[in-house]
Amino acid sequence: AQTVTQSQPEMSVQEAETVTLSCTYDTSESDYYLFWYKQPPSRQMILVIRQEAYKQQNATENRFSVNFQKAAKSFSLKISDSQLGDAAMYFCAYRTISGGYNKLIFGAGTRLAVHP
Amino acid sequence: DTEVTQTPKHLVMGMTNKKSLKCEQHMGHRAMYWYKQKAKKPPELMFVYSYEKLSINESVPSRFSPECPNSSLLNLHLHALQPEDSALYLCASIGGRANEQFFGPGTRLTVL
Repeated sequence: AQTVTQSQPEMSVQEAETVTLSCTYDTSESDYYLFWYKQPPSRQMILVIRQEAYKQQNATENRFSVNFQKAAKSFSLKISDSQLGDAAMYFCAYRTISGGYNKLIFGAGTRLAVHP
Repeated sequence: DTEVTQTPKHLVMGMTNKKSLKCEQHMGHRAMYWYKQKAKKPPELMFVYSYEKLSINESVPSRFSPECPNSSLLNLHLHALQPEDSALYLCASIGGRANEQFFGPGTRLTVL
């Protein structure tokens, strides 16, 4: 079975600085998707970035980028020029097909604090 | 319209009450899910609807009863809940290029 591990329960960063959130996963599948979701205090889960496993190029969305290391099964999220609005819980998620349906396996989450 | 809406935003109910949560999407997606999320934890899958049929029930107690009246609407009927059922209930609609899950804003439920 697939598992997702986020080893940093909490992280903090100064405004305008860069922070990296770690995520590792375990799978025997060769083709899959990985996601980072952001959940601010408002509690809505917002998709930050996605990575397709068969693509070697790391995904980038504005200030958010990933470092995808398929062989190492690592999928870290880098937030550049951190802003106060980036403060949230961040979940790493692995998407698999199980029992014929699209299933997300979430990590435990990393709470990010941004200090002015 | 790339939005999933959920009503109500907040709900407080007693253990003998009957209430319903509603989720709606107009993206043409054919799969919709219910999740339960406790504080500081990731969401836990409850139910999967695909083409308006219940595909997966993740061993959820019968006091939670899902319903999918049409492809745009998903309900969760609540009856005789327990205080430990207090949580954020999230709905997700699945579709798009990568079959992503688009989450609604959730309903924060408190059971007294």
